[in-house]
Amino acid sequence: DVKVTQSSRYLVKRTGEKVFLECVQDMDHENMFWYRQDPGLGLRLIYFSYDVKMKEKGDIPEGYSVSREKKERFSLILESASTNQTSMYLCASSLLGGTTRTDTQYFGPGTRLTVL
Amino acid sequence: AQKITQTQPGMFVQEKEAVTLDCTYDTSDQSYGLFWYKQPSSGEMIFLIYQGSYDEQNATEGRYSLNFQKARKSANLVISASQLGDSAMYFCAMREPNFGNEKLTFGTGTRLTIIP
Repeated sequence: DVKVTQSSRYLVKRTGEKVFLECVQDMDHENMFWYRQDPGLGLRLIYFSYDVKMKEKGDIPEGYSVSREKKERFSLILESASTNQTSMYLCASSLLGGTTRTDTQYFGPGTRLTVL
Repeated sequence: AQKITQTQPGMFVQEKEAVTLDCTYDTSDQSYGLFWYKQPSSGEMIFLIYQGSYDEQNATEGRYSLNFQKARKSANLVISASQLGDSAMYFCAMREPNFGNEKLTFGTGTRLTIIP
């Protein structure tokens, strides 16, 4: 079974702090993704990576950066956390980047971040 | 225009009854993939079922089946013999071929509640 883990289930930070969210997958997947989920807005893509040291902006990259130094690990960084970044953050990974069943994205348990 | 539309924000269904969750999509591509995910209160997105645009038969996975009507651009999820554990948010998502901007586009979800 694919396993995607995230470093924290719940996190509380203060405005202006630097925040690191870690994601690890154990299935040798090429692609990794970071989404945020807000009520009524569904899931929105922040960044994704299709290879080590490669990254691409998603729909809402402002205020975030990412790092992928190893294939299995994808980190989301909030350089200076703000209250409007309070949200549920979901990491996902997939083997390939097409439209077939093998390109299914598998998700981690999520990190609920609160910025005070 | 919304790419994925889920028109039912919430549904209540009696245990053991079948339930249909609606999903319509919008794309001009011929090749695409459609996915359904379940999100229990714990937060993790669980992959349920996949339908490819070229698949001639409707996808089935255990109690889940996908009623795919390509001409109408609908991909409804059918859950047979509902169980209390089916209570969750359900998201429909689409993957279009777009190298360099790999992402799933999600609907806003349907909250399903199974009544004993």
